[in-house]
Amino acid sequence: NAGVMQNPRHLVRRRGQEARLRCSPMKGHSHVYWYRQLPEEGLKFMVYLQKENIIDESGMPKERFSAEFPKEGPSILRIQQVVRGDSAAYFCASSPDRGRTNTGELFFGEGSRLTVL
Amino acid sequence: GENVEQHPSTLSVQEGDSAVIKCTYSDSASNYFPWYKQELGKRPQLIIDIRSNVGEKKDQRIAVTLNKTAKHFSLHITETQPEDSAVYFCAASIGNFNKFYFGSGTKLNVKP
Repeated sequence: NAGVMQNPRHLVRRRGQEARLRCSPMKGHSHVYWYRQLPEEGLKFMVYLQKENIIDESGMPKERFSAEFPKEGPSILRIQQVVRGDSAAYFCASSPDRGRTNTGELFFGEGSRLTVL
Repeated sequence: GENVEQHPSTLSVQEGDSAVIKCTYSDSASNYFPWYKQELGKRPQLIIDIRSNVGEKKDQRIAVTLNKTAKHFSLHITETQPEDSAVYFCAASIGNFNKFYFGSGTKLNVKP
């Protein structure tokens, strides 16, 4: 069972360009979370999604950022018109469906490191 | 919303000594408290967790304690080893794991 897969691992963009980060959750997981981590800082919650639904996007900036988790395919975090302050590591995590087997553990991907020039 | 504070931000100990990291939370409805370890350039990984109906949990050299009244929980690592060097994050979750609030992290350095 492959872990949470994120790509690209590293992405360089110039100011004003778009960044698309992809996350494939673990098999059997239907809950996806996106976190942002600035250098030397903690994990900041951005958005929580289930298949085809955004459950909580309270941590995501209202402008330029969007996220989706379609019925088929990976979850995508999209950042439009990137600025230097968007440079960070973006981690995706997944968890299994709610139920007796759900221990609450988040399974993280390796992260996507965005650098904005 | 929930606010999780973590201290210290950096901790340096000699190999074999104990390390203690403390977190406080603000929302008394929080009921699940995991700890994650993140090695340099790697993904965070769960090392231990505790639920609000338990006061203490131990797994080999790692233990976590929870004081619901004071709204704080702590990670204890005994007989530290150089491979324990990493950044440790505490977190709190309310209800059905819909959202996890993370502390700012503690960078632990174990000197050989």
